[in-house]
Amino acid sequence: DTEVTQTPKHLVMGMTNKKSLKCEQHMGHRAMYWYKQKAKKPPELMFVYSYEKLSINESVPSRFSPECPNSSLLNLHLHALQPEDSALYLCASRPTGDPRETQYFGPGTRLLVL
Amino acid sequence: AQTVTQSQPEMSVQEAETVTLSCTYDTSESDYYLFWYKQPPSRQMILVIRQEAYKQQNATENRFSVNFQKAAKSFSLKISDSQLGDAAMYFCAYRSRDDKIIFGKGTRLHILP
Repeated sequence: DTEVTQTPKHLVMGMTNKKSLKCEQHMGHRAMYWYKQKAKKPPELMFVYSYEKLSINESVPSRFSPECPNSSLLNLHLHALQPEDSALYLCASRPTGDPRETQYFGPGTRLLVL
Repeated sequence: AQTVTQSQPEMSVQEAETVTLSCTYDTSESDYYLFWYKQPPSRQMILVIRQEAYKQQNATENRFSVNFQKAAKSFSLKISDSQLGDAAMYFCAYRSRDDKIIFGKGTRLHILP
């Protein structure tokens, strides 16, 4: 298995809803990432997990809550989002043993907040 | 803080021709990694090529090669024999020692048949 999977592919939610995005990889990668990508823009780093511990939080609003329950799974819990949070949310993972290794990206979850 | 600049928002190239995408970066670190990523319209980000800053030799991957000029902080991507499947957004990226990746704004590449 050499891929990062993300579910759901698409999500529409209201500003009062609570939802979660899921990311999974079975490549044994111990670094996992969440990015936000607006249309025609580069991805922006949100969170980094290293060995299941949060190592980087890029000053993301608390309405986004990450969780890494085990080495294969990464969640992003969403609550009380704003319309400007509509974007493509990308998950990525990276093997930590070799610094030359780059991140493997999932296909993303396209989120629309109404 | 590190920055990555891609000065060409869009480029077009005739099929089978060669095109070069430019990228410059700014950093005070001496040890870092540079990458070119491709994001086709389906939007899955794929690694094209990587370069370790400590290596003077330019990386090559089949039709893709880079021109890495460390002193000038320049990292351009050359695509030879362009194919229709090369049409995508290309992002230049810098990975710092603390594992953050900083992306340039991207260059949209069109391939003309």
